[in-house]
Amino acid sequence: AQSVTQLDSQVPVFEEAPVELRCNYSSSVSVYLFWYVQYPNQGLQLLLKYLSGSTLVKGINGFEAEFNKSQTSFHLRKPSVHISDTAEYFCAVSEGGGGADGLTFGKGTHLIIQP
Amino acid sequence: DVKVTQSSRYLVKRTGEKVFLECVQDMDHENMFWYRQDPGLGLRLIYFSYDVKMKEKGDIPEGYSVSREKKERFSLILESASTNQTSMYLCASSLRLALYNEQFFGPGTRLTVL
Repeated sequence: AQSVTQLDSQVPVFEEAPVELRCNYSSSVSVYLFWYVQYPNQGLQLLLKYLSGSTLVKGINGFEAEFNKSQTSFHLRKPSVHISDTAEYFCAVSEGGGGADGLTFGKGTHLIIQP
Repeated sequence: DVKVTQSSRYLVKRTGEKVFLECVQDMDHENMFWYRQDPGLGLRLIYFSYDVKMKEKGDIPEGYSVSREKKERFSLILESASTNQTSMYLCASSLRLALYNEQFFGPGTRLTVL
């Protein structure tokens, strides 16, 4: 069975500083990986996804993530954060194959941008 | 673009009331999901449906039921609301045959049970 661990429940960072949000997964097969963002009082929005090919994936709002198969990680990064990046970030994994129960979510990381 | 809508953004109900949360998607997705989200617990799956009139229990189905009479609509029902069901409820949908199971989310309903 697949599982996702987001190592930090909160990450405070100063505006214009770089940030990394960590995500590790466990699975016995090949996976597809996602990062979703949730702004205050809103639903989840897809930030980026890794399906295959290049291990460096670029998403919206200047975010990128790198898939590292040997370390079973999919960390999210941004070189310079803005106050508008304050949100909850969720990592999710799928083992694929379609079906109705395919996504497993981490517990989320709250990114707090300090002015 | 996929659009998933939920009937209410905010809802306040009293203990013991029957509560209906409605979700509609416009992209002909087979799969639909209901999650609840609580601080520190992430998203927990309540129920999902892979076809009309079909439903499967998720991780925390107790106290909830669902209805899927039409492909585009998936309803979550709290038969007798309790204060511990105060939460954010998120609906999502996905294509059944999509290899990677990307899910598309609605804006959420924040339910308060008094």
